[in-house]
Amino acid sequence: QKEVEQNSGPLSVPEGAIASLNCTYSDRVSQSFFWYRQYSGKSPELIMSIYSNGDKEDGRFTAQLNKASQYVSLLIRDSQPSDSATYLCAVPNAGKSTFGDGTTLTVKP
Amino acid sequence: DARVTQTPRHKVTEMGQEVTMRCQPILGHNTVFWYRQTMMQGLELLAYFRNRAPLDDSGMPKDRFSAEMPDATLATLKIQPSEPRDSAVYFCASGLSDTQYFGPGTRLTVL
Repeated sequence: QKEVEQNSGPLSVPEGAIASLNCTYSDRVSQSFFWYRQYSGKSPELIMSIYSNGDKEDGRFTAQLNKASQYVSLLIRDSQPSDSATYLCAVPNAGKSTFGDGTTLTVKP
Repeated sequence: DARVTQTPRHKVTEMGQEVTMRCQPILGHNTVFWYRQTMMQGLELLAYFRNRAPLDDSGMPKDRFSAEMPDATLATLKIQPSEPRDSAVYFCASGLSDTQYFGPGTRLTVL
């Protein structure tokens, strides 16, 4: 089992829909969780962090964390074509982060 | 707007040549990471430093890769000799606590 697993993509949603990206992790002691967005040919960009169980909202993005289930998700409401990218889940441990393989999202106009 | 910078942005070289990639972390960040990204392997951690001290380089092929941080404003990743399988995008990232900010990357092609 990988330390950080993301739902296999690619994921395609129509413009205006909700995109749901999921991530599970194996280390129960992990305390913080991050989502990065990577456009094709670009570097990863930090978009969300979450530390406590529950939801954290930032504009159209909502991160959800359930430590008991070792599950973190990212919801993108009112998806736009500009949201088309690969989304990476990152779980820090001992000063370094383990990244998932990413889920590629395509938002179709 | 503070950013991580990397040079060169693109490098094409021949097998057996030495390659040096440079990174300037964001001022004040105490942790610097080197990653390699390929389509097949995703984002792999090669090495990282905290306060300029190397903490983990277990992700690097030791016989050909080396990473150093000669001062707080410069991190280097060297490959000698380079091989075609080293072709990838190499990212540097810097951060505080657990957040990381990535540079634009160096796209390396080894022929």
